[in-house]
Amino acid sequence: QVQVVQSGGEVKKPGASVKVSCKTSGYSFSNYAINWVRQAPGEGLEWMGWMNVNSGNVKYAQKVQDRVTMTTDTSTNTAYMELRNLRSDDTAVYYCARVAFKWNTHTMDVWGPGTRVTVSS
Amino acid sequence: DIQMTQSPSSLSAFVGDRVTITCRSSQSISTYLNWYQQKPGKAPKLLIYAESTLESGVPSRFSGTGSGTEFTLTIASLQPEDFATYYCQESHSFPSFTFGPGTKVEIK
Repeated sequence: QVQVVQSGGEVKKPGASVKVSCKTSGYSFSNYAINWVRQAPGEGLEWMGWMNVNSGNVKYAQKVQDRVTMTTDTSTNTAYMELRNLRSDDTAVYYCARVAFKWNTHTMDVWGPGTRVTVSS
Repeated sequence: DIQMTQSPSSLSAFVGDRVTITCRSSQSISTYLNWYQQKPGKAPKLLIYAESTLESGVPSRFSGTGSGTEFTLTIASLQPEDFATYYCQESHSFPSFTFGPGTKVEIK
């Protein structure tokens, strides 16, 4: 069955970088895109970016586009999200989600368990 | 950019109640609207896509309607396991996505 495993929680200092991994199995990795979504403590869901695994095309949210890079490794069916120059308001749980095209709309139908990133001096 | 709003931001209801959550978009998104359920400490779960199609395994007490700029998620008879936060999300702007702010459903 489809499974997603994300890397463990991280504690970083302001200005540092973090790279979160999202390892998938049970489906054809290259046939789907990956979204990254984050959730600050007590807050709602914030879309960060989309990556077409097959083409390598990406689209980043304006809020993070200068600091984020999304990549994939098709040899290990793993997606990565790197966020640089971390600030305290980057403290959040970071989720990867598979993007599936269903009934003419793009959905996030499989989610990773989340990776907690804490930014603190 | 499309903005999404939800109302109410929270509600209290009894088990067995009929519950309706409204989601509005700042411009027409046709039926490119999905709903997610999130329980505390857990990842979101896809409930409904394309405005009204239930994801596999989702109970039939959940339903979605709407088009254009106004959408509703209805839970016909609230069950104990339905207490959660619900988010709408538009995909009209694909490959950008926007979530609504969420509606927390609590036990009365």
